Amino acid sequence: AQTVTQSQPEMSVQEAETVTLSCTYDTSESDYYLFWYKQPPSRQMILVIRQEAYKQQNATENRFSVNFQKAAKSFSLKISDSQLGDAAMYFCAYRPPAGGSEKLVFGKGTKLTVNP
Amino acid sequence: DGGITQSPKYLFRKEGQNVTLSCEQNLNHDAMYWYRQDPGQGLRLIYYSQIVNDFQKGDIAEGYSVSREKKESFPLTVTSAQKNPTAFYLCASSIWASGGPYEQYFGPGTRLTVT
Repeated sequence: AQTVTQSQPEMSVQEAETVTLSCTYDTSESDYYLFWYKQPPSRQMILVIRQEAYKQQNATENRFSVNFQKAAKSFSLKISDSQLGDAAMYFCAYRPPAGGSEKLVFGKGTKLTVNP
Repeated sequence: DGGITQSPKYLFRKEGQNVTLSCEQNLNHDAMYWYRQDPGQGLRLIYYSQIVNDFQKGDIAEGYSVSREKKESFPLTVTSAQKNPTAFYLCASSIWASGGPYEQYFGPGTRLTVT
């Protein structure tokens, strides 16, 4: 079964600095999808960024970027120029390839604190 | 506005009572999902449905039931058989098609407290 591991239960960063959240996963598939979701105090889950495993180029969305290392099964999230509004729980998620159950497998999350 | 609604936001029940959580979406998505979130546990899948009148058990289905009579609606019933029902419940939906990273969109959640 696929598993997703987030080894940092909590992280903190100074406003305007850069922080990297770690995620590793276990799968025997070669084609799959990876996501980072943000859950602020409102508890609304918001998609931050997505990555297709077949793409070598790392995904980028404004201040958010990923470092996707397929051989190492690593999918870290980098937040640049951190803002107070970035404070939230961040969840890494894995989705199997098309034709399967399409279920998302989530890590246990990393709580990010942004200090002013 | 397109989106997913869950009601109510907070729900309180006595032990031994069944309770139904509502989830409605107007995104025209085929697939819908129910997750449970506990502190330090991340999100765990309870049930999911790919099409109307069909649904599959997720990883923690025991003590829960669902129905999918309409594309827009996917209610979750927490039965008295669920041993630890107090949790935060999230509903999600997505496109169901081959290929593509079709992400799941989430509702605002329902906090259920059973005493």
